Amino acid sequence: EVQLEESGGDLVQPGESLRLSCEASGFTFSSYVMTWVRRPPGKGLEWVSSIGGAGGTSYYTDSVKGRFTISRDNSRNTLYLQMNSLRVEDTAVYYCAKDLRFLSQVWGQGTPVTVSS
Amino acid sequence: QSALTQPRSVSGSPGQSVTISCTGTSSDVGGSNYVSWYQHHPGKAPKLMIYDVIKRPSGVPDRFSGSKSGYTASLIISGLQSEDEADYYCCSYAGNYRYVFGSGTKVTVL
Repeated sequence: EVQLEESGGDLVQPGESLRLSCEASGFTFSSYVMTWVRRPPGKGLEWVSSIGGAGGTSYYTDSVKGRFTISRDNSRNTLYLQMNSLRVEDTAVYYCAKDLRFLSQVWGQGTPVTVSS
Repeated sequence: QSALTQPRSVSGSPGQSVTISCTGTSSDVGGSNYVSWYQHHPGKAPKLMIYDVIKRPSGVPDRFSGSKSGYTASLIISGLQSEDEADYYCCSYAGNYRYVFGSGTKVTVL
């Protein structure tokens, strides 16, 4: 069964850092583009970042450029999101997703991140 | 990277039809064959309802359908049922692994 499981969400103060992980199983992880999507409380879904299968290509939404870094370890079947200089507006449930463009897409259940003083 | 424009809310009685619009630009909806629709209950994983503008995954009731004209995609729910009450989002591929989601629409069954 294809599965994604996020972890690492926590309560942090503004300016602090956090690393999210997404462990994949049931498919050839290195063959797929992986994506992070978030949903802030009371707001809509927002694309955050995507990374190519080999890890050499990545893209970010403007609001996180320079603060967030997406990466992957294909030997561990794990996707990461390193989040630095966190802001209150980064508070959200963060989801990882496989193959977002296609029918074969899969989503995780999400991990909550709260940025508050 | 502005969100695609959706109505904030739509409502209907059981059995009625509702349509949710999703308006973008030539860089996303207008220029993409990869427009999808999601049903989302907060705290759960989004559920794919429509992909490739008009295609429906197996298991999704056929009362859900999609269409597109120009820069606007639409999700039509025919024969509205109480279990359809949820938040709905459109999503368009915008090239180079980038995506843009809609602002979201709350569907209420009266």
